[in-house]
Amino acid sequence: QVQLVQSGAEVKKPGASVRVSCKASGYTFTSHYVHWVRQDPGQGLQWMGIIKPSSGATSYPQKFQGRVSMTRDTSTNTVYMELNSLTSDDTAIYYCARDENGSPATGTWGHWFDPWGQGTLVTVSS
Amino acid sequence: EIVLTQSPGTLSLSPGERATLSCRASQSVSSSSLAWYQQKPGQAPRLLIYGASTRATGIPDRFSGSGSGTDFTLTISRLEPEDFAVYYCQQYGNSPRYTFGQGTKLEI
Repeated sequence: QVQLVQSGAEVKKPGASVRVSCKASGYTFTSHYVHWVRQDPGQGLQWMGIIKPSSGATSYPQKFQGRVSMTRDTSTNTVYMELNSLTSDDTAIYYCARDENGSPATGTWGHWFDPWGQGTLVTVSS
Repeated sequence: EIVLTQSPGTLSLSPGERATLSCRASQSVSSSSLAWYQQKPGQAPRLLIYGASTRATGIPDRFSGSGSGTDFTLTISRLEPEDFAVYYCQQYGNSPRYTFGQGTKLEI
């Protein structure tokens, strides 16, 4: 079955960076975009960006531009999300999610996410 | 940015009752771009409804979605114990491309 499995919880100090991995299985890795979404008590669910696994092309919303980087490794069917210059406001659960009804072949993004990874808790604390 | 406002914030009902959850958009949303998710404690969100009214694979038919423009509704016809969770609506549009509502907690 289609599955996204994420790396484990992280504890980081303010100013540090964190990298979270998301390993895909059960489908052709390059046939779907992958998104990252974070969830925190204050802001709820926020979309952090999208990566096209076939080419590595990315797009990020303004809120995270310059601070987030998404990459992929096609040999292991894994995508990565790195967030820099962490503050306590970045304490959240980070999810990867597969894009649905989009088409990387045509450059069309999907409109919803299915399935989601299990989530990775990132805690930023001094 | 399209803001999605969900109401009520918390809905207290009993098993067997009907639940009606609302999602209102600050601008018109294409019906094909509206989805609903269910999230239980300690779990990731799960897709329930996409395209405003189409159930995702494996979702029971007691879940239904409706609406258009700026007003969308998720209805659970007869609540089962496992339905008590938090529900989120989500839309695809302009920058930022994807936004979520703040959620409705459905509690016993």
